[in-house]
Amino acid sequence: DAMVIQNPRYQVTQFGKPVTLSCSQTLNHNVMYWYQQKSSQAPKLLFHYYDKDFNNEADTPDNFQSRRPNTSFCFLDIRSPGLGDAAMYLCATSRAGRTSGRKGETQYFGPGTRLLVL
Amino acid sequence: GNSVTQMEGPVTLSEEAFLTINCTYTATGYPSLFWYVQYPGEGLQLLLKATKADDKGSNKGFEATYRKETTSFHLEKGSVQVSDSAVYFCALGDQGGSEKLVFGKGTKLTVNP
Repeated sequence: DAMVIQNPRYQVTQFGKPVTLSCSQTLNHNVMYWYQQKSSQAPKLLFHYYDKDFNNEADTPDNFQSRRPNTSFCFLDIRSPGLGDAAMYLCATSRAGRTSGRKGETQYFGPGTRLLVL
Repeated sequence: GNSVTQMEGPVTLSEEAFLTINCTYTATGYPSLFWYVQYPGEGLQLLLKATKADDKGSNKGFEATYRKETTSFHLEKGSVQVSDSAVYFCALGDQGGSEKLVFGKGTKLTVNP
């Protein structure tokens, strides 16, 4: 089945130690998103890629970076994790309306990676 | 800017009860509207969507109608099941072409047998 895969499902890191989360997709979607979701809150968009074009949200801390080496893979790098960065990180993909010509393209989410910072 | 206001939870119902979760939005133009569901420990899944006024989205017994006049997209189900226990998010789609979503705060639903 086509899907969005996130590895690992659980990640433990130390305060200040760089960590990378990965996302892959078999849907061949041109848009990929990274969200941060803290307990009992709505997902908060960090950034998204439209093909290779990177789009950062204005309030995303510089500590968060992303790479998309090809259509299928996207990485979230946290350069110096703090205790406040402990959260669920969700990857999602979609076609873009400007590509498909349709409104309301669905975002397909992976299962998430839960990050714990010690 | 675009925003979504969603009914605060948590909501606790007995099995077979009627469910309504209110959602209203603020946006310019005609955004797409979505309901996503998140089961414990999982990512979000699309439940239903509507892309224009008066459209009704439906799935798994859930329904929501895009009401432009009241800027609402309330979620309803006539008879909930224990398996419907989850967090429900109302979302609005950005019209800029990259389909960014603006989420409501989520409503946790617990259905008891």
